[in-house]
Amino acid sequence: AQSVAQPEDQVNVAEGNPLTVKCTYSVSGNPYLFWYVQYPNRGLQFLLKYITGDNLVKGSYGFEAEFNKSQTSFHLKKPSALVSDSALYFCAVRDPARGYALNFGKGTSLLVTP
Amino acid sequence: KAGVTQTPRYLIKTRGQQVTLSCSPISGHRSVSWYQQTPGQGLQFLFEYFSETQRNKGNFPGRFSGRQFSNSRSEMNVSTLELGDSALYLCASSPGQGDTGELFFGEGSRLTVL
Repeated sequence: AQSVAQPEDQVNVAEGNPLTVKCTYSVSGNPYLFWYVQYPNRGLQFLLKYITGDNLVKGSYGFEAEFNKSQTSFHLKKPSALVSDSALYFCAVRDPARGYALNFGKGTSLLVTP
Repeated sequence: KAGVTQTPRYLIKTRGQQVTLSCSPISGHRSVSWYQQTPGQGLQFLFEYFSETQRNKGNFPGRFSGRQFSNSRSEMNVSTLELGDSALYLCASSPGQGDTGELFFGEGSRLTVL
């Protein structure tokens, strides 16, 4: 079975500091991994994805993520956090052998304080 | 290019009633997926349609059903509503074939069951 885990319910960081939101996955075969962000009362917005290739993936709004196969992790990072980055972040995995359904983590609430 | 459009955005129903939610995908996208989002269970996959056929289904009771029309628009129906069906229902679209499965989400339909 494919799954993702986001071990932190909430991450707090000061504006200007680097941020990391953690995600680990469990899937047989080669996973397709995604990060999405959700602002209050809104749908999900795509940030970035890892399919194959370079382990460091760059995405929207200055976010990047590092795929680590040995640790089965796909942590989301940003060098310098903004207050406007405060939102709910979801990691998701798709097993391409099982169609287009995404399995999402529980989400991590990111709070960036001025 | 217009995004994914969901209607209605908000609705209130009472137990035992039924509800129909509508989703118009991005032009050219042939795959439509539905997700239920609740504080307790997070984001859960309901089903995916491609070219009017259900291609994948999550673990929801038969009260949850959907369909897709020839223009790729989709509807989902929930019959005999229960209090636990209160949730944000998200629709997402993608090309559905030959792509990496990145989903584009609508703003959601927030259903409250009283």
